[in-house]
Amino acid sequence: NAGVMQNPRHLVRRRGQEARLRCSPMKGHSHVYWYRQLPEEGLKFMVYLQKENIIDESGMPKERFSAEFPKEGPSILRIQQVVRGDSAAYFCASSPSAGELFFGEGSRLTVL
Amino acid sequence: KNEVEQSPQNLTAQEGEFITINCSYSVGISALHWLQQHPGGGIVSLFMLSSGKKKHGRLIATINIQEKHSSLHITASHPRDSAVYICAVGRGDNNDMRFGAGTRLTVKP
Repeated sequence: NAGVMQNPRHLVRRRGQEARLRCSPMKGHSHVYWYRQLPEEGLKFMVYLQKENIIDESGMPKERFSAEFPKEGPSILRIQQVVRGDSAAYFCASSPSAGELFFGEGSRLTVL
Repeated sequence: KNEVEQSPQNLTAQEGEFITINCSYSVGISALHWLQQHPGGGIVSLFMLSSGKKKHGRLIATINIQEKHSSLHITASHPRDSAVYICAVGRGDNNDMRFGAGTRLTVKP
């Protein structure tokens, strides 16, 4: 049973480009969470999704950021028109219910 | 004041020492998590607690709900325990978690 898979592990984008981060939850897990860790800062909750539904996006910036978890395929965190301040590690976690979390290795975004 | 406070921020220990990391929180919670993050690496969930005490190998986690306090203990510490340990509290069903700033542990041989 593979763990939470995130890709890419490292992504470099220029300002104004789009970044797409993917997260495949553990098998049987229907709850997905995205967190952001800015350099030298703690983790911050961004969004909580279940299959085809956004449950809580209160931690996600209102502009340029979107997330989805389609019926088939991984969850996607999409950042449009990236800026330098978006440079961070983005972690995905999954759980079978609203309980114990299993984290991925993270995707490290660098915006030049 | 942060909702989740950890102490100490940094901790250096000699191999074999007993280590305690503390976490205090100010909000109502459904569960408290202890996480481990290695440099440049991913995050591993060590414990999820809602009451009492849990033990896994050399790691012990306790929580006092009334005092809103949790501790993570490492017995017979080893250099491979060097990492950042993060306390996080989960509220409600949404896992809208609040994270502590982390405790950076360095265990010297």
